Amino acid sequence: DQQVKQNSPSLSVQEGRISILNCDYTNSMFDYFLWYKKYPAEGPTFLISISSIKDKNEDGRFTVFLNKSAKHLSLHIVPSQPGDSAVYFCAARVIWGDMRFGAGTRLTVKP
Amino acid sequence: DGGITQSPKYLFRKEGQNVTLSCEQNLNHDAMYWYRQDPGQGLRLIYYSQIVNDFQKGDIAEGYSVSREKKESFPLTVTSAQKNPTAFYLCASSISLRGYTEAFFGQGTRLTVV
Repeated sequence: DQQVKQNSPSLSVQEGRISILNCDYTNSMFDYFLWYKKYPAEGPTFLISISSIKDKNEDGRFTVFLNKSAKHLSLHIVPSQPGDSAVYFCAARVIWGDMRFGAGTRLTVKP
Repeated sequence: DGGITQSPKYLFRKEGQNVTLSCEQNLNHDAMYWYRQDPGQGLRLIYYSQIVNDFQKGDIAEGYSVSREKKESFPLTVTSAQKNPTAFYLCASSISLRGYTEAFFGQGTRLTVV
C-alpha cells in the first residue's frame, strides 16, 4: 500500500520559471512532511519540511504548501535554475514512526 | 565532520552468497534506517532501529537481516533468500524516531548480483 504518491514521474520547466512538484498521501496520521533532492548514484539530501500545524513553509527559493483536507502537498521552486535538475522525493511520517517516501519526480530545468 | 558513511560504494555478489553492507554515523543519532531504491521506484523501507539492540521490520524485510550492537553502526546483510537483491541501498539516520526531525542519508551502495 503506497501511502505517499507522486503521480508525475517527470517535469520539465524553463530556467527562471516556477517549478511545482506535487505529492498526495493517504494516511491521515502523517503529521510531518519533507522534500528531498537526489542526484544519480548519491543519497538524497534534505531540502525543506513542514509540520501539520502549518500550511506553508518557505526557505529561499523553495516553498512547501500543505493542504491537510485534500491530503496534498506541493513544492514550489522560484525561480528555477539548471542546478535544480534532480529527482525530488516527497516523504511523510507520523509523530512517532518511520518515514515513507513517494516514487519521486525527475525535474529538468532547461537553460 | 559529521555524517553517514556507507561502504563500499559498489558491491558485486555471486548468486547464493550473503553480503553485508556497512553503515556508520557519527551524528550521535538514535534512529537509523535502511532503504532500497529500484529504477523508477521510490525508497522502500527495509529495516529501522530506534535504539541500540532494537530494530523493526519495514515493508520489504524478507531476505534481509540487521544488527544494532553500537549506536553508530547499523549493518545490513543481504541473504541468499532475497530473490532480487540487485538495487541501490541507502542508509539514513535521524536524531530520533519521534518528533519533527529529518533523516540524513549516506551516499548509498549499489549491489549487483552476478
